[in-house]
Amino acid sequence: SQQGEEDPQALSIQEGENATMNCSYKTSINNLQWYRQNSGRGLVHLILIRSNEREKHSGRLRVTLDTSKKSSSLLITASRAADTASYFCATDSNSGYALNFGKGTSLLVTP
Amino acid sequence: DVKVTQSSRYLVKRTGEKVFLECVQDMDHENMFWYRQDPGLGLRLIYFSYDVKMKEKGDIPEGYSVSREKKERFSLILESASTNQTSMYLCASSLLTSGSGWQETQYFGPGTRLLVL
Repeated sequence: SQQGEEDPQALSIQEGENATMNCSYKTSINNLQWYRQNSGRGLVHLILIRSNEREKHSGRLRVTLDTSKKSSSLLITASRAADTASYFCATDSNSGYALNFGKGTSLLVTP
Repeated sequence: DVKVTQSSRYLVKRTGEKVFLECVQDMDHENMFWYRQDPGLGLRLIYFSYDVKMKEKGDIPEGYSVSREKKERFSLILESASTNQTSMYLCASSLLTSGSGWQETQYFGPGTRLLVL
């Protein structure tokens, strides 16, 4: 069952601009992950943030987590055309094994 | 470098055929997963396995079965393919969940785009 929900569904920006995507979820989590999917390909893990963390950085990526609001954001700074992809947030599920994925934000970065 | 491979990138089958989708990982991961991805619906979990010969139903197991005879291989079987099973199928693997209950990173294969006519 899906728990995370990304917002916006689609985002179009120009190279060099920052892109911000949001994820909201419904029940308490242990961690939250962000994945990226290039068109027609599998998903690639970007970053994982634990429930006791508030912010995490990885290169041009910055992820925040607000457990009181049950939301997370992914910021991509100084975007490039190669960042064009779909971005998914994923939360842990009741099974203890599988992840619940949102429907994704489709990001288009134009040169 | 971690690697999850899927037997086919594209597959065309006829209604009623038995279809096998194979997934192999070389990371010695305990957990393996099968998802399907459809426009507007995101990723939905079909089945997962946390050990050899162990399997658990996901959110949409109807019409599918799985097999895990070896740790590195997880097969998805469509017993009698139907047109509503036309989709992108994604396999993933991960390490055994830690005792704290935190799910680990999942590593995905490139996907199999299945068309059932």
